[in-house]
Amino acid sequence: AQSVTQPDIHITVSEGASLELRCNYSYGATPYLFWYVQSPGQGLQLLLKYFSGDTLVQGIKGFEAEFKRSQSSFNLRKPSVHWSDAAEYFCAARSGGSYIPTFGRGTSLIVHP
Amino acid sequence: KAGVTQTPRYLIKTRGQQVTLSCSPISGHRSVSWYQQTPGQGLQFLFEYFSETQRNKGNFPGRFSGRQFSNSRSEMNVSTLELGDSALYLCASSSDTEAFFGQGTRLTVV
Repeated sequence: AQSVTQPDIHITVSEGASLELRCNYSYGATPYLFWYVQSPGQGLQLLLKYFSGDTLVQGIKGFEAEFKRSQSSFNLRKPSVHWSDAAEYFCAARSGGSYIPTFGRGTSLIVHP
Repeated sequence: KAGVTQTPRYLIKTRGQQVTLSCSPISGHRSVSWYQQTPGQGLQFLFEYFSETQRNKGNFPGRFSGRQFSNSRSEMNVSTLELGDSALYLCASSSDTEAFFGQGTRLTVV
């Protein structure tokens, strides 16, 4: 079955530190991959997406993600975290023939001053 | 370009009542999907409508239903509300490449 796994439920970092959120997928073929961010009580905002091509993808708010086919991973990174980055982050994947993404359970990012 | 609009933002209902939530997608998008988000279950897919037809359905009881109008606006209805239906309901408007989400409707069942 198709699935997306985010191994970390919570991640705590200090402001200014680097960040990496993990995401692994299980699909028959390489899916389309996405990272979303959700602030409390809000909807999901798309940070970045990967369809094909360059495996390092740049997104909004200074985020980037790297697709690694050999590891079935699509990890999200940011070199220096700001307090405003505290939120829930969701990795998602969908196959090319579907409009329905499968979401991971989410990783809650806590930023210490 | 206007985003996805969900109304109302907040709703409080009593057990046994029914509720209707509305979603206006991005202009030109024909696919509208609904998700239920709870702390314990995460994001769960309810159903997807495309050009007024339900194209995909998640694993929810028949109390959850939806429809889509010719202008792509969508509604979802929950009948005979239960306490466990309390959740954030998110609507997504999709193009061929990505899904855009509304702010959600926070439903509280008391």
